[in-house]
Amino acid sequence: GAVVSQHPSRVICKSGTSVKIECRSLDFQATTMFWYRQFPKKSLMLMATSNEGSKATYEQGVEKDKFLINHASLTLSTLTVTSAHPEDSSFYICSARDIRVVDGELFFGEGSRLTVL
Amino acid sequence: LAKTTQPISMDSYEGQEVNITCSHNNIATNDYITWYQQFPSQGPRFIIQGYKTKVTNEVASLFIPADRKSSTLSLPRVSLSDTAVYYCLVGPNQAGTALIFGKGTTLSVSS
Repeated sequence: GAVVSQHPSRVICKSGTSVKIECRSLDFQATTMFWYRQFPKKSLMLMATSNEGSKATYEQGVEKDKFLINHASLTLSTLTVTSAHPEDSSFYICSARDIRVVDGELFFGEGSRLTVL
Repeated sequence: LAKTTQPISMDSYEGQEVNITCSHNNIATNDYITWYQQFPSQGPRFIIQGYKTKVTNEVASLFIPADRKSSTLSLPRVSLSDTAVYYCLVGPNQAGTALIFGKGTTLSVSS
């Protein structure tokens, strides 16, 4: 089945640094990818919609200058957490659908755990 | 997107059938009902999806009444490894449309 892969799966960084998380669709193409954030014992919260070749769409309350999203190809979207702070520590999950499949399911990556010290 | 309501938690024993009901009163005509399973520190995993009536696959069944305002995920003969959070999501299966997560149901299976 379709696979969405994220890298890195875990990252620890110092406060003030920037961290990039990659999301790849391994065996399908996706014009749109979605980024979610999940805090401990909470549900997934949609952060933004990543659009191939154009600007991302951010949900209300999500700082676009802090969470930079780039969707340079049909198989890769990146999320960069800029000037990370401890409150940005969270589990980041991306998802995508195969553009070739009508009424296709939404596939999720394994998630990336960010810890900001 | 339609809002969903599920029980916060459920307990079961190994070998039992577990039914988790989800309410989605405002479901739209082009919305599908999809259930995901999530283990700690992992991304959600697709379980089953349906539009109406009953859908069955190798791991679960999904029952959807005619009015589609609710749905029930049925897990036959659960095991300890089925302990997880289960999410019911409602929305169109369009490439550019995300799914919005509700609080989910934490299922705990004991021996």
